[in-house]
Amino acid sequence: KAGVTQTPRYLIKTRGQQVTLSCSPISGHRSVSWYQQTPGQGLQFLFEYFSETQRNKGNFPGRFSGRQFSNSRSEMNVSTLELGDSALYLCASSGGDTSTDTQYFGPGTRLTVL
Amino acid sequence: DQQVKQNSPSLSVQEGRISILNCDYTNSMFDYFLWYKKYPAEGPTFLISISSIKDKNEDGRFTVFLNKSAKHLSLHIVPSQPGDSAVYFCAASEPFGNTGKLIFGQGTTLQVKP
Repeated sequence: KAGVTQTPRYLIKTRGQQVTLSCSPISGHRSVSWYQQTPGQGLQFLFEYFSETQRNKGNFPGRFSGRQFSNSRSEMNVSTLELGDSALYLCASSGGDTSTDTQYFGPGTRLTVL
Repeated sequence: DQQVKQNSPSLSVQEGRISILNCDYTNSMFDYFLWYKKYPAEGPTFLISISSIKDKNEDGRFTVFLNKSAKHLSLHIVPSQPGDSAVYFCAASEPFGNTGKLIFGQGTTLQVKP
């Protein structure tokens, strides 16, 4: 089975721009979760999508948004980029039926905001 | 407040010896715990998990122990190998509407010396 894929792997943007990141889950997985990793804050949960609906949300501003398509692929959008948004963005997929479903991570997208 | 804590930022072990990585948590509602291994610029790789109804789970060289009364879990790697050198994260999830959300510790960098 193919793993979780994320595109692009690297992105450089300037302040004020917006960016869209993409995540394709493992085949058959219906849940996609997004995380931000920074040196200072570690790995923090952004939000989770299941069957095209946002089911759970972390403590991030409204500039961070996402969506999920009928094939379970997910996109994350960040608008009005700030320097502090520079981070590794990770998505993870799971069956999504219970909280004990193991999440499998993609390689991440490294976003640099200049 | 940090609900999952890994108090040792780093650990150095000789090849062939045991590595013990520790993790403490504060939320008694957590019902599932996972350990991930991460290399720089890559996504976390799932290693092993344990449900809160168990106190031990073993998979090859990896064993996770859970002490619910102490709110403490540990990952034992025996024998340690140089390829185990990486950052290890413990993570926890809670039921009741929090599917897809993992709370991560800050990570412990393991160095296994040949």
